[in-house]
Amino acid sequence: EVQLVESGGGLVQPGGSLRLSCTASGFTFRTYWMTWVRQAPGKGLDWVANINQDGTEEHYADSVKGRFTISRDKAKDTLYLQMNSLRVDDTAVYYCASALGAEPGDHWGQGTLVTVSS
Amino acid sequence: SYDLTQPPSVSVSPGQTARITCSGDGLPKKYAYWYQQKSGQAPVLVVYDDSKRPSGIPERFSGSSSGTVATLTISGAQVDDEAVYYCYSTDSTNIEIIFGGGTKLTVL
Repeated sequence: EVQLVESGGGLVQPGGSLRLSCTASGFTFRTYWMTWVRQAPGKGLDWVANINQDGTEEHYADSVKGRFTISRDKAKDTLYLQMNSLRVDDTAVYYCASALGAEPGDHWGQGTLVTVSS
Repeated sequence: SYDLTQPPSVSVSPGQTARITCSGDGLPKKYAYWYQQKSGQAPVLVVYDDSKRPSGIPERFSGSSSGTVATLTISGAQVDDEAVYYCYSTDSTNIEIIFGGGTKLTVL
C-alpha cells in the first residue's frame, strides 16, 4: 500500500523555523518528482515547491522563494521542507505529494498543520 | 504565469449532470488536471491529461478541454460526490504549478 506520512508541523512564532518531513512507503520513491502543497484554513490549494527524482532540480513558488528549501533523502525515502523566516500567512496544512497529476503515481499524504502565531 | 478561474459553487440534484469549468489563458497548450477534496481529507486525482480517468475513479467522472476552458463533468452526480473540486495546470515551462480556486459541489 502506498503511504506518504508527513510530520514536523506545529506552532511556531513569526520569524521562526520548522522542518517538515514526508516518509514514503509502498512505491519506488526515487523514481518520482515530489511536491509540497499547502492549504490555509478554509482556503484552496497552493503549490509550494517541487523537486526532481535525484534532487538536482528544485522549484519554488514566489511566496516562499528564499525562505523554504525542499530536499530529499533517497536512502530514507523521505522528502523534507525546511521553512525559515516563517510568517503568519504561512499558516496552513502542508501536504506532500508524489508525481502530481501522473497515473499511476499521484499520491498525497494526510497533511501536517503548521501554525505561525505569536 | 496565468490564473485558473473556477466558479465558487455548483449545485445539482442527485442523478443530474454537474459541470465544473476552469478557465485560463495557458490551457490551450497545457493539460488540465482535476482533484476532488472531501472535507478533512487529502485531494484525490479524478481526471488527468484533460480527459483521462485514473484507475478506481467511477466512469461518471469525465473531463474535456477546448481552448481556454477545461470542464469536469459528473454524469449522474451522487450525494457522495459532494466535495470541493480543484483544477490545476502548469506554466509554459512546466515548472510552476497553478491551482484554480476550487468549486464546491453540492448534491441535494
